[in-house]
Amino acid sequence: GQNIDQPTEMTATEGAIVQINCTYQTSGFNGLFWYQQHAGEAPTFLSYNVLDGLEEKGRFSSFLSRSKGYSYLLLKELQMKDSASYLCAVRDSNYQLIWGAGTKLIIKP
Amino acid sequence: IAGITQAPTSQILAAGRRMTLRCTQDMRHNAMYWYRQDLGLGLRLIHYSNTAGTTGKGEVPDGYSVSRANTDDFPLTLASAVPSQTSVYFCASSASGTSGHNEQFFGPGTRLTVL
Repeated sequence: GQNIDQPTEMTATEGAIVQINCTYQTSGFNGLFWYQQHAGEAPTFLSYNVLDGLEEKGRFSSFLSRSKGYSYLLLKELQMKDSASYLCAVRDSNYQLIWGAGTKLIIKP
Repeated sequence: IAGITQAPTSQILAAGRRMTLRCTQDMRHNAMYWYRQDLGLGLRLIHYSNTAGTTGKGEVPDGYSVSRANTDDFPLTLASAVPSQTSVYFCASSASGTSGHNEQFFGPGTRLTVL
């Protein structure tokens, strides 16, 4: 079967750095996405990786290792508004997104 | 309209009733999707459409049907609602469903409760 694993919940301090990991086992791979979802709202796109390596976009970076079935999202200079759930999703051989259950990130002052 | 709209925002429905959730996008995206999101689970794909006139089944299609008569609209119908269909439903769209870096854009969601 297809599976995306991410930690259920993480806590970090305002101003700090946090890394959210995602491991996956899917039938085929056509890219990995990270989305942010604030409570009661829709998911919004953060990043996309299809090749190995690091993609940087402002305070957020995403890393991919296809051989290890592994990705992480790195958030720097954490702000209170970063408190949200972070969803990892892999596009499989049918070009459908398989979603992890999400990591709830709690930021403390 | 800007982006994707869904209606209604929320609904309480008696079991056995028929219900249609509406979704409209104005981005001229070819692909559209319906997901349900339940606590502790990832988004699960119900049905999708890669282009107007075509639809496909996702991971959890039973009890749901869709149509795609034109590019903009993608309604989801529950023929006879059951309590297990209580969920938050998200509609999404992307420029293409079959190629490239095509992120999905999500509507605001419909919170459905079936009693």
